[in-house]
Amino acid sequence: KAGVTQTPRYLIKTRGQQVTLSCSPISGHRSVSWYQQTPGQGLQFLFEYFSETQRNKGNFPGRFSGRQFSNSRSEMNVSTLELGDSALYLCVSSSRGFATEAFFGQGTRLTVV
Amino acid sequence: AQSVTQLGSHVSVSEGALVLLRCNYSSSVPPYLFWYVQYPNQGLQLLLKYTSAATLVKGINGFEAEFKKSETSFHLTKPSAHMSDAAEYFCAVSDGRGGADGLTFGKGTHLIIQP
Repeated sequence: KAGVTQTPRYLIKTRGQQVTLSCSPISGHRSVSWYQQTPGQGLQFLFEYFSETQRNKGNFPGRFSGRQFSNSRSEMNVSTLELGDSALYLCVSSSRGFATEAFFGQGTRLTVV
Repeated sequence: AQSVTQLGSHVSVSEGALVLLRCNYSSSVPPYLFWYVQYPNQGLQLLLKYTSAATLVKGINGFEAEFKKSETSFHLTKPSAHMSDAAEYFCAVSDGRGGADGLTFGKGTHLIIQP
């Protein structure tokens, strides 16, 4: 079956702009989570959506937001970009079953200049 | 609350030598434990997982890990390192709810393979 698809793979934005990243989870998976990965902070949880509802949110400012559509596809948005937002953003798809593992997308590399 | 500590941000071994990557966890409930591998500019790929069945877990690419409750450890090993094993490795613990939000990751260990 198809894996987790994230678009775009690479993105360069200017400070102050906003950006939208997209994620298509594995077919049948209803949970989509987003992580930010940076060399300094490692993998940090942003938020999780399940059946179009945000169930959990990490410790990030309100500039970071997301949503999930009825087909489970998810988008995350970052407004008023800062240099520190440069990171690899990873989308994670899971079925939320018993001890299910998480399937990662290849990520979107965001560079803010 | 749960946490993961990976000892050693960088580990260097010679090709053909034993690989040992250390992971200690803390969890208030019986944990589910995972090892993931990440190649440059890629997402994370599951190597293996422990879900309270056998304590010795075999994964892909010749890796295995042993769950030791008394030591709260879940170290990753491979008998003979290959150049293609060079990557970043992450240990993760889950509270069993399933879903990625229940995963807490370690800081990662960069494995370097010397020819």
